Amino acid sequence: SQTIHQWPATLVQPVGSPLSLECTVEGTSNPNLYWYRQAAGRGLQLLFYSVGIGQISSEVPQNLSASRPQDRQFILSSKKLLLSDSGFYLCAWTPGNEQFFGPGTRLTVL
Amino acid sequence: AQKITQTQPGMFVQEKEAVTLDCTYDTSDPSYGLFWYKQPSSGEMIFLIYQGSYDQQNATEGRYSLNFQKARKSANLVISASQLGDSAMYFCAMRGHNAGNMLTFGGGTRLMVKP
Repeated sequence: SQTIHQWPATLVQPVGSPLSLECTVEGTSNPNLYWYRQAAGRGLQLLFYSVGIGQISSEVPQNLSASRPQDRQFILSSKKLLLSDSGFYLCAWTPGNEQFFGPGTRLTVL
Repeated sequence: AQKITQTQPGMFVQEKEAVTLDCTYDTSDPSYGLFWYKQPSSGEMIFLIYQGSYDQQNATEGRYSLNFQKARKSANLVISASQLGDSAMYFCAMRGHNAGNMLTFGGGTRLMVKP
């Protein structure tokens, strides 16, 4: 069966510090992968998606970036975090019609 | 552009009763998919049900059913026999005809089940 992992589960970072969030998928190959962000009490906003290794599409211009160094690995990064980057970050993958989400990373920027 | 609207920020329902969560959408794509997700306080997004725009019958999954009215562009979620564990945020989402199969989400509805 397929499984999606995210780490870390929670993260507290100072403003201006770098960020690296990792997402990996098991049990499938060449999945479409997605990064979403959810502000407190709000819906999900798509940040990036990838249809293959090295292929990244950005939906929202910001100080975040994404990379896909391996087929089942998707990384969200920032060189300098802003207060507005705080939120709940969810990775997702799609085998077909459905889209399944990882457990999420709760990021607090202080 | 696609848009999903959930007009109920919060809903109460008595345990064991049915509840309908509203969702309307707007798209120019002839083919699309509609989704409902549940998000409990733990934060995980749990896939509940999917409806394709060309599906002839309304989707059902256990206690969940999707009341799909294409002409009205609505895709309401019906939860029958509510349980205390159904208390959560519920999100409606849509996928249009795009290369990345991305989802557009509504703002969510918080459902609270009363004992």
